[in-house]
Amino acid sequence: GAVVSQHPSRVICKSGTSVKIECRSLDFQATTMFWYRQFPKQSLMLMATSNEGSKATYEQGVEKDKFLINHASLTLSTLTVTSAHPEDSSFYICSASHGQGYQPQHFGDGTRLSIL
Amino acid sequence: AQTVTQSQPEMSVQEAETVTLSCTYDTSESDYYLFWYKQPPSRQMILVIRQEAYKQQNATENRFSVNFQKAAKSFSLKISDSQLGDAAMYFCAYRGSQGNLIFGKGTKLSVKP
Repeated sequence: GAVVSQHPSRVICKSGTSVKIECRSLDFQATTMFWYRQFPKQSLMLMATSNEGSKATYEQGVEKDKFLINHASLTLSTLTVTSAHPEDSSFYICSASHGQGYQPQHFGDGTRLSIL
Repeated sequence: AQTVTQSQPEMSVQEAETVTLSCTYDTSESDYYLFWYKQPPSRQMILVIRQEAYKQQNATENRFSVNFQKAAKSFSLKISDSQLGDAAMYFCAYRGSQGNLIFGKGTKLSVKP
């Protein structure tokens, strides 16, 4: 149980394109979803936290107009990288949890985004 | 703010031997969770083991165990009988009242046959 599906796994697109990444909880209701970014050989950095039906809370330094997060249902959150540029190339990974506080997080398999 | 420190960027172990990965953290909270995640080249995040701060007993999962020293804010991972499949990046993570995970910088573990 507790499977999180992230799609697509790999995206290559031209500069200026907007890219949408989906994160779905397949067998549980994800009241909270987290979006992380990971540069090569570095750790995961939290970008934002989203609760179903609410606006996402962004970490300091993360542009909310650049990285649009929608968590419209209990099983789906999306991250849209708007007008992507080469510096946005990275590995993006989501996680989901049910309930508040200390509920475990379940990770998707990540999306490798490459902007040409 | 909470921080997680992994002071070993890389570690190496001989197959079948034991290795310990270190992790320290800083927090003013009294109730929290600590985790070790494994990230193989596929970049999946795989939960290895977790420890609730209120539990004094160290968590164990088969060949994986932790040495949790709450007063010292230390949370090391011991891998016994290391296997080739254990080679990966290992991240120590803290989860407090806000719910998000704070990761250390990771330790790259190599296993020599």
